[in-house]
Amino acid sequence: QSVLTQPPSVSAAPGQKVTISCSGSSSNIGNNYVSWYQQLPGTAPKLLIYDNNNRPSGIPDRFSGSKSGTSATLGITGLQTGDEADYYCGTWDSSLSAGVFGGGTKLTVL
Amino acid sequence: QVQVAESGGGVVQPGRSLRLSCAASGFTFSSSGMHWVRQAPGKGLEWVALISYDGNNKFYVDSVKGRFTISRDNSKNTVYLQMNSLKPEDTAVYSCARSLSSSLPDSWGQGTLVTVSS
Repeated sequence: QSVLTQPPSVSAAPGQKVTISCSGSSSNIGNNYVSWYQQLPGTAPKLLIYDNNNRPSGIPDRFSGSKSGTSATLGITGLQTGDEADYYCGTWDSSLSAGVFGGGTKLTVL
Repeated sequence: QVQVAESGGGVVQPGRSLRLSCAASGFTFSSSGMHWVRQAPGKGLEWVALISYDGNNKFYVDSVKGRFTISRDNSKNTVYLQMNSLKPEDTAVYSCARSLSSSLPDSWGQGTLVTVSS
């Protein structure tokens, strides 16, 4: 059981938009930054979003992040088949003094 | 660019020990915290440990406290994970990653597989 809650799967058609939610509590998302990671099949995770809504260089602006209270959301617009991957949210939990990840969301581009 | 390369994985019997290494390059290692993260076969990501840039602060997930020790050698740009009293549930790909200022992983490597089995 993960500290952060994500939907197991989401799907949408190419060109459409999808959002992935990440729910936590005041000890983690509520008071710390959130990062989002993309893990393509058979590869290492890649940082997509850091500090709630910032994109590292090289990440297209089709990817966006937001946070409100104890929840965070990853948005992906203009979906491509190459976006099919597992997506994870992560943050620091101040009560646990530990990093925590969501259980992951599998994105299918139909 | 940031590069990390893990090594030291393998097959080990329950109760035995293993030490993982992570060699880093492409950034100022001595100014960066470093994480270990693991992923069991077919499962999600699990954060394992974090060490501060100077090695003075260390944090662990509850399930490995007292068994795993994270350390670093800034002269060798290397971070280690000493794993003792290994259990079958420790079986996973272990990856190291540079830390962001937010104490979250940034760039991480392909990982090294640890299999705990008799």
